[in-house]
This record gives sequence, structure tokens and C-alpha cells, in this order.
Amino acid sequence: GESVGLHLPTLSVQEGDNSIINCAYSNSASDYFIWYKQESGKGPQFIIDIRSNMDKRQGQRVTVLLNKTVKHLSLQIAATQPGDSAVYFCAERVAGNMLTFGGGTRLMVKP
Amino acid sequence: DAEITQSPRHKITETGRQVTLACHQTWNHNNMFWYRQDLGHGLRLIHYSYGVHDTNKGEVSDGYSVSRSNTEDLPLTLESAASSQTSVYFCASTRDSTSTEAFFGQGTRLTVV
Repeated sequence: GESVGLHLPTLSVQEGDNSIINCAYSNSASDYFIWYKQESGKGPQFIIDIRSNMDKRQGQRVTVLLNKTVKHLSLQIAATQPGDSAVYFCAERVAGNMLTFGGGTRLMVKP
Repeated sequence: DAEITQSPRHKITETGRQVTLACHQTWNHNNMFWYRQDLGHGLRLIHYSYGVHDTNKGEVSDGYSVSRSNTEDLPLTLESAASSQTSVYFCASTRDSTSTEAFFGQGTRLTVV
């Protein structure tokens, strides 16, 4: 079936550097793509979303890019901080307000 | 503050037993969801509900059931627990069908021995 996946399972960055987390999707019918952050022992937490008719959206220190031509989604985190260490999931919203999640990327921030 | 809570946080049960995991939200959200999280699979949808008395099967619904008798609660029942159902279970809710922001509980770690 169609699914959302991630290229890299683990990303290690130096504190203060920018982080880029990538995700590939296959369902062209999704109307929104969303990024969630999951800290150890907690449930996922919404970060930012992007509508399928947009190619870029910025939030506080985060930017999501959507390339529909190659079905690619990325999350950029500026000036990565230790508090950004977590597992990041991309998700897509399909019919009926359901979310389909990718496998997750672990971001490790080195001090 | 409004919140979504799951109980218990940890549960160990034996194969074949019936187990019910509780989920309670105080946002008055219509939509509620149950996911399981396993290494290598991310989060997979088990069941979901769009309102009172409404329930629907998700991607991995076999062996699970839910009921929605009020807006606040969506308990998840494992009819006859199996070792393959050892996992971390997350409940989530969204305000309505236009919302992309799901609010998740803290999760329940279930071990079936």
C-alpha cells in the first residue's frame, strides 16, 4: 500500500548548526503533510504542517519544504539546540482526517 | 488545562487475557484515534472515532475493538492478548475534520507474556 517513509534513521548534528530531516511520500492524494516531534517517553507533538498546494512554510526556527514533483518533504531546523533532540515523524493526512506516519528519524544534538 | 490522558502507563498481561486501555480527553474533541508504535513501523492506526457511537477500523484493527459512549473516552480492548500485541499504544484526538494537529497522550506500554 501507499506509505510515508524517511531516508535517514539517525541524524547527528552539532549544537548551533542547521538540521535537515527528509521524508519521501507516495500518496499523491494527501491534502496536508505534517511534522511531529517525539521526545523520549512522550507522545508525538505537532510541529508544523503544509498544505499540498504550497511548497514552503516557515515557523519558529523551522521550515518545511514540499516538492511534489519528486514526492519529497523536508524539515529544516535552524540553530539546532539540545532540546531539539528527539525522533521526528513526517505524516500525511488522507481521507477522513486520518494521519499516516513514516518510520521516524532520530535527531541527536551534540553539545 | 485541557489534556488527553492514558491509563495505565505500563501493563503486563498474559496471553489470552482481555485487556482494556483507557483514553480520556477534556478538549471535547470529536475525533479520537488509537495507534500502536513498534520499532521499524512508526505509528500505525488501529481504530478511530468521529463522534459518539461512531467507530471505524484502521490499518491494524484485528484483535482490537473500541467503543465510544461519550465524547471524552475511547477505550481500546484487546479481546485475547497475543505476544504480537506487545507494543506502545498512543491515543490521540483532533478538534474536527479540518484540523491537522493531533494531540497525543503519553502512551501505554503493554507487554504480553
